Amino acid sequence: AQTVTQSQPEMSVQEAETVTLSCTYDTSESDYYLFWYKQPPSRQMILVIRQEAYKQQNATENRFSVNFQKAAKSFSLKISDSQLGDAAMYFCAYRSPGTASKLTFGTGTRLQVTL
Amino acid sequence: DAGITQSPRYKITETGRQVTLMCHQTWSHSYMFWYRQDLGHGLRLIYYSAAADITDKGEVPDGYVVSRSKTENFPLTLESATRSQTSVYFCASSESWGASYEQYFGPGTRLTVT
Repeated sequence: AQTVTQSQPEMSVQEAETVTLSCTYDTSESDYYLFWYKQPPSRQMILVIRQEAYKQQNATENRFSVNFQKAAKSFSLKISDSQLGDAAMYFCAYRSPGTASKLTFGTGTRLQVTL
Repeated sequence: DAGITQSPRYKITETGRQVTLMCHQTWSHSYMFWYRQDLGHGLRLIYYSAAADITDKGEVPDGYVVSRSKTENFPLTLESATRSQTSVYFCASSESWGASYEQYFGPGTRLTVT
């Protein structure tokens, strides 16, 4: 079974600075997808960014980018120019193409953004 | 309303009572999922459904029952609620099979079992 580990329960960043959230995963599969979800206080789960394992190029969505290291099974999220609205819980998730699209989540990292 | 909705948003019930959480999506997505979110565990899959009348267990199915008589609805029933089922429950849907298809989440239901 796949597992996803987020070793940073909480992180803090100053507004306009850059922060990196860590995620590692364990799998024996070669083809899979990885995701970062944001959960603000409203509880709504919002997809931030996704990465296909077969793509070597790191995914980027505006201020959000990932560092995908397939051999190391690492998938970190970098948030540039942090904004107050980035404060939330961030979940890393793994999805295998062969298991009915089920998502396996990490335990989350709470990000605080300070002035 | 378009999208995926859950009701109720908040529910307090007593130990031993039956409670049903509702999930409705307007996209005609084939796949639907129920997750529970607890501190220190992230989200864990309870049950999922690939189509109407097709359901299967996830990681933590004990104490829960699901049904899917219509594509758009996927209710989750706690037959005899226990305090350990106090949690936030999320329903999600996905257009099709395959990891490339995004899962869309409902707003969640906070359930408290006293």
